[in-house]
Amino acid sequence: GAVVSQHPSWVICKSGTSVKIECRSLDFQATTMFWYRQFPKQSLMLMATSNEGSKATYEQGVEKDKFLINHASLTLSTLTVTSAHPEDSSFYICSASWGAGRTDTQYFGPGTRLTVL
Amino acid sequence: GQQLNQSPQSMFIQEGEDVSMNCTSSSIFNTWLWYKQDPGEGPVLLIALYKAGELTSNGRLTAQFGITRKDSFLNISASIPSDVGIYFCAGQKGSRTYKYIFGTGTRLKVLA
Repeated sequence: GAVVSQHPSWVICKSGTSVKIECRSLDFQATTMFWYRQFPKQSLMLMATSNEGSKATYEQGVEKDKFLINHASLTLSTLTVTSAHPEDSSFYICSASWGAGRTDTQYFGPGTRLTVL
Repeated sequence: GQQLNQSPQSMFIQEGEDVSMNCTSSSIFNTWLWYKQDPGEGPVLLIALYKAGELTSNGRLTAQFGITRKDSFLNISASIPSDVGIYFCAGQKGSRTYKYIFGTGTRLKVLA
């Protein structure tokens, strides 16, 4: 149980194009989904938190117009990197949690490696 | 953003040895979690701790929620080659926020 998928697993794009990454909870309904970014040999840094049907909450320093997040249903959230540039190249990981308790566990997807040329 | 301090940063051990690592914070957390991440993959939950002093095992792994609520420990007994990877702690403050604060990671390498 508690399986989270991401698509695509990797993507290479040209500078200036936009890239959409999908995050799906396969066997549970996710009330909250999170998007993280991870640089090589570094820890996970939270970018934003999204709840189904409402606007995402972005962490300080994360450009909301650059990283568009849509949480359209209880099983799907998308992250769109708009006008991508080489510095946006990174490993993007989503997680999902359910329930209403304050100790909700996050289950992580396998990640998406974005390379911007 | 804020990160939790993990120690050691990396370690090489012989197969069969026991491993200990810890995670410390300057502030209190209500939940501590330990994840393992393999290269190119997302983190996988190992153990979740919800109460100060709690000691929880998952196979050869044992984790403890520190009494001060500012730290947590993870032990791996009788390490095997597949234990290789990066171990992250995460703290969650609870209340109305579900956000995790992640540790800096401990990179484990097991020598057969």
